[in-house]
Amino acid sequence: AQSVTQLGSHVSVSEGALVLLRCNYSSSVPPYLFWYVQYPNQGLQLLLKYTTGATLVKGINGFEAEFKKSETSFHLTKPSAHMSDAAEYFCAVSERDDKIIFGKGTRLHILP
Amino acid sequence: ETGVTQSPTHLIKTRGQQVTLRCSSQSGHNTVSWYQQALGQGPQFIFQYYREEENGRGNFPPRFSGLQFPNYSSELNVNALELDDSALYLCASSLLDTEAFFGQGTRLTVV
Repeated sequence: AQSVTQLGSHVSVSEGALVLLRCNYSSSVPPYLFWYVQYPNQGLQLLLKYTTGATLVKGINGFEAEFKKSETSFHLTKPSAHMSDAAEYFCAVSERDDKIIFGKGTRLHILP
Repeated sequence: ETGVTQSPTHLIKTRGQQVTLRCSSQSGHNTVSWYQQALGQGPQFIFQYYREEENGRGNFPPRFSGLQFPNYSSELNVNALELDDSALYLCASSLLDTEAFFGQGTRLTVV
């Protein structure tokens, strides 16, 4: 069975500061790992995903995440937060691309 | 290419009623997955349809059922609605085992 734990249901950072959203996963098979973003009253948009190969994955809007197998982690980072980054972020795991197990989400607040 | 579209966008139903939600998959996709996102929670996998057959199901009761049509569009049906069924229902389309693209969702409120 697979599962995802996101640490912190709410995270606040100042505009221009580093964004770090934490995610740990559990999987009995090599996982596919994802980060999605959801803006209010919207669907889900894929930020980035890891399948195989390079463990540092770059996504859209300046986000990146690093797969650390030894720590079963896939934390999301962005060097400098923008006001437009305020949204709900979901870490997710899958055995393949399309049956996805989501975490409970982290709401990112950007302080001016 | 057209994206994933869901209808209706919002819906209010009474407890005990039945509801049908619709999803048009992205052009060229043959797989549709449905997810339920309760308020303040992450989406939960309901089931997936591949070429008109159910291809996996999450931990949802049988009153949640689905269909996929020859054009790969899909319906989610929920019978005997309960208050806890109130949620955002998301549809995602893909080619089997490839990246899923999500629609904007249908917000169902059960009163």
